[in-house]
Amino acid sequence: NAGVTQTPKFRVLKTGQSMTLLCAQDMNHEYMYWYRQDPGMGLRLIHYSVGEGTTAKGEVPDGYNVSRLKKQNFLLGLESAAPSQTSVYFCASSRHLTGGNSPLHFGNGTRLTVT
Amino acid sequence: KNEVEQSPQNLTAQEGEFITINCSYSVGISALHWLQQHPGGGIVSLFMLSSGKKKHGRLIATINIQEKHSSLHITASHPRDSAVYICAVSMNLGLGGSQGNLIFGKGTKLSVKP
Repeated sequence: NAGVTQTPKFRVLKTGQSMTLLCAQDMNHEYMYWYRQDPGMGLRLIHYSVGEGTTAKGEVPDGYNVSRLKKQNFLLGLESAAPSQTSVYFCASSRHLTGGNSPLHFGNGTRLTVT
Repeated sequence: KNEVEQSPQNLTAQEGEFITINCSYSVGISALHWLQQHPGGGIVSLFMLSSGKKKHGRLIATINIQEKHSSLHITASHPRDSAVYICAVSMNLGLGGSQGNLIFGKGTKLSVKP
């Protein structure tokens, strides 16, 4: 039982390049989330999904797109990377929507640097 | 806008000491989470609570809804407890909370010396 798996672990992009971060969970969770973590700030929600085929904007969605074509996968895309997107990205999943009676399960993070 | 304040920001303790990390928030919530972020970066959920107290091993989490305050206690601390501890709250939807969004504190960095 792997839990939540994120790939890649590290990536360096040049400004304007694109990439996709993949998140996979094997717990049959309905809810999945993408967060970013920046120094001196708490985790911030980028986008989330309440089930296969659904996505919704979080607190800081600009510059990112997401897709949830399969229940177990949640993809985060950067179409044209900017230095402001240098961050550590975490994927998470939960059985119920955050605030309900279920904890969050996190991936190990992706450290992205945009030069 | 709701804020989640944690104190202290940094904490150094000697092995065996009793540790307390505090979390205060400003509006009504439906649940509060305590998370642990290891030095390697991974994040693990420790507790989720909406009232009272929960205990797991040497860790105890308490919440006082009326005072809008939660504490995380570690008894008999050990160097392996060194990590960043993060408090997060889920706001009541009727009070402006948005579905899917937790508000996170900035974390408390704990270092336990042998």
